Amino acid sequence: GESVGLHLPTLSVQEGDNSIINCAYSNSASDYFIWYKQESGKGPQFIIDIRSNMDKRQGQRVTVLLNKTVKHLSLQIAATQPGDSAVYFCAETPFSGYALNFGKGTSLLVTP
Amino acid sequence: DAMVIQNPRYQVTQFGKPVTLSCSQTLNHNVMYWYQQKSSQAPKLLFHYYDKDFNNEADTPDNFQSRRPNTSFCFLDIRSPGLGDAAMYLCATSRELAGGYNEQFFGPGTRLTVL
Repeated sequence: GESVGLHLPTLSVQEGDNSIINCAYSNSASDYFIWYKQESGKGPQFIIDIRSNMDKRQGQRVTVLLNKTVKHLSLQIAATQPGDSAVYFCAETPFSGYALNFGKGTSLLVTP
Repeated sequence: DAMVIQNPRYQVTQFGKPVTLSCSQTLNHNVMYWYQQKSSQAPKLLFHYYDKDFNNEADTPDNFQSRRPNTSFCFLDIRSPGLGDAAMYLCATSRELAGGYNEQFFGPGTRLTVL
């Protein structure tokens, strides 16, 4: 059968609170960053992306912050809802590359 | 709606019995990818096609092959599945390869069980 995977870091928040999910990367050549949401039994779903020439980008209820100095990426979800419960992956790729390098993932659990 | 479709959603095969997973897309994207995702892990890229050009990741086992007969379809062939190949297999597409055109759209995945 399937090998046992690592336990994912888990973030538990109450409904209505804001959530912050963090991601560190190591490649200085990383140019393009994406956050994906993956619900149980489904494929990853695009949430928001950011290029390296920006440090902040906002979407609907979500904000991505990029700090290239410390190679850190974060995803902020405002007014977290039960439907936001999922595993969140950050991914990056260099400008000239193609392969998305995924981070380990964080499991977000929203409690009522 | 334009999308990435994977069939079947669940596949059971026997140890050593060849199996094929399929992916189709209506996005007319140039690039199609196959990822393997094991429990509680991040997706791992196996290979991709840029149009008809096949690119294998260095650590992808020879047991895994792929075919892309046309723009819309891509197949993953596992020649002799082992117990360690049980995983979710994700197909993804992107318009181009690099930079901001690399937003990848994922299918729902096929969960492979090996008995």
